[in-house]
Amino acid sequence: EVQLVESGGGLVQPGGSLRLSCAASGLTFSSYCMSWVRQAPGKGLEWVANIKQDGSEKYYLDSVKGRFTISRDNAKNSLYLQMNSLRAEDTAIYYCASGRTIGDLYYWGRGTLVTVSS
Amino acid sequence: QSVLTQPPSASGTPGQRVTISCSGSSSNIGGNYVYWYQQLPGTAPKVLIYRNNQRPSGVPDRFSGSKSGTSASLAISGLRSEDEADYYCAAWDDSLSVLFGGGTKLTVL
Repeated sequence: EVQLVESGGGLVQPGGSLRLSCAASGLTFSSYCMSWVRQAPGKGLEWVANIKQDGSEKYYLDSVKGRFTISRDNAKNSLYLQMNSLRAEDTAIYYCASGRTIGDLYYWGRGTLVTVSS
Repeated sequence: QSVLTQPPSASGTPGQRVTISCSGSSSNIGGNYVYWYQQLPGTAPKVLIYRNNQRPSGVPDRFSGSKSGTSASLAISGLRSEDEADYYCAAWDDSLSVLFGGGTKLTVL
């Protein structure tokens, strides 16, 4: 059974930083593209970033470019999202998702809540 | 990055067939695969349809997806009370991003 487990969320002040992690099991992690998707309270889904299997290509939502960095460690079956200069509008549940191709969000984790507030 | 267009709400009675539309453009739906997700209240999204019309194992065949040009549809036949959820379409866009629809809240009357 594929499992994606996010961690690292919490309360942070505006301008602060957080690093999210996603631990994967039940799949050959290095064969999957990985993504972060967020959902603000009461709102719809919004893709944030994704990364190819070998980390060679990374893509970002315009509003997070220059502030967020997606990375992966295939040896540790883990995905990361480094979030800097956080804003109130970044408040959301952050989900990690995996798929065979770059636009494929097939398996999803349960999410981790990030709250940006003073 | 723009969103795909879905109706905000849909409804039906048990046993009915309902469809949810998703409209995009040639740079997303028109040239790439469409995915559909179901999100039950308080839970993470789950893939219902991938690559336009493929169903993961475990998803009932009451759910079906189709695509024509720059639009796609999700059909749910034999509507059941447990189908009450939010439904999202998504597609890769040639601008190198994933686009989601705004979501459709399905109510089973």
